[in-house]
Order: sequence, then structure tokens, then C-alpha cells
Amino acid sequence: GAGVSQSPRYKVAKRGQDVALRCDPISGHVSLFWYQQALGQGPEFLTYFQNEAQLDKSGLPSDRFFAERPEGSVSTLKIQRTQQEDSAVYLCASSLEGYTEAFFGQGTRLTVV
Amino acid sequence: AQKITQTQPGMFVQEKEAVTLDCTYDTSDPSYGLFWYKQPSSGEMIFLIYQGSYDQQNATEGRYSLNFQKARKSANLVISASQLGDSAMYFCAMRESPGVKLTFGTGTRLTIIP
Repeated sequence: GAGVSQSPRYKVAKRGQDVALRCDPISGHVSLFWYQQALGQGPEFLTYFQNEAQLDKSGLPSDRFFAERPEGSVSTLKIQRTQQEDSAVYLCASSLEGYTEAFFGQGTRLTVV
Repeated sequence: AQKITQTQPGMFVQEKEAVTLDCTYDTSDPSYGLFWYKQPSSGEMIFLIYQGSYDQQNATEGRYSLNFQKARKSANLVISASQLGDSAMYFCAMRESPGVKLTFGTGTRLTIIP
């Protein structure tokens, strides 16, 4: 596609449920990022992939958060045993290389009830 | 300490006027990049402009320009001839070498008044 695509756009989960958020980056983009944006805040870095290698996961808030990009294209962010504080917009971004401009998707708004 | 500070939570500007959105940053790294993104209500972050720490001239992209004052550690975004479609959240962000992740400020909500 022309841009970064994320699905679902909206997700409501009951506390304790597992969720999976999908990101389709721009074709040919080597680098992929996940960010978390709480209400009224700027995005905060979660993790970074170069192709299929997860080079930085320093921003993942707990071991309940897990991301993968097995074939170096589509990525999935999984959150296990969701908690209310996980409610946020999860943004995915991709770039040709890590140092070039990043293009963002529209995000997935996760609400944990 | 905040790495990116945006002190204007909200701004109202008359259509066709110029507007300056403030951003100050904190880093001890000599090599870094500064970015501005626009986030409309639809949610996606739209890249506007980039300034590298070693760039001699201020960056410009159409109606957007970046007023880069390195000694003051400021990177203000200037939008000339504002339009109704400029109404959105604007985020300043920094990337420090050798990393690739962006650190964002808390944003400024810009509203253009007809």
C-alpha cells in the first residue's frame, strides 16, 4: 500500500485479555518502530526492528509486551493480560533506514475496560 | 529532565497569519536531529520538516520553516500564511546519535480561526 497500515483501528479489551496489534509498513522499508501515545501526551518509543531483527526493545514497559517481525515486513505487537494503564494509541512507523524520516500509521486505539 | 519541551499547550491564530510553535531541547550529544510532526484528529503523525545539528542553514519545506538556534537549544516551527487545514496537534521530536528512536514533546494544539 501507499502508507503504513495498522489494524484494527480500535480495540476494546477486557482487563486480563490478550491483544494483538498489526502493522503493515511501507513496502521496502527496512526499519519499523512501535510507539505508545497516552491521552494528551506525545508518543513514547517502545521498540525498533531492522528487517526481522529487534535491535532495541528498551521502551517496552513490561514483559507483558512482546513484538515480532518474523519475515522483516509485517509486525505484530502483542500485549498479554491487558491492564487499564495499557489504554493508549499504539503507533507504528517505518522508514527506509533507521536514520531517514519515519512515516507513521493512523494508530490503533486500545481501550482496556 | 525533559529532553523536548513544548511550552504552548494550545494556540489560536487567525487564518493567513504566520505562527511560531516553540520547542526547546536538551542533549549533550553533538550529533542529533530535530523533527516536527503534525497530528490531525485522524491520528496519523505527518512528517513536516527535519533539521540536523550540523546543518548550517535553517530547514524549509514549503510554508514550513524551522528556526534553529543551536546555542539556545531551540528549534521553533514557523508556519507562514496559516490555513484552516493547519489546525492539528504539532509535535517536536529529537533523535540522538547513534540511536534511531525519536523522543517527542507533549505537543501544541494549534487552532486556526477563520
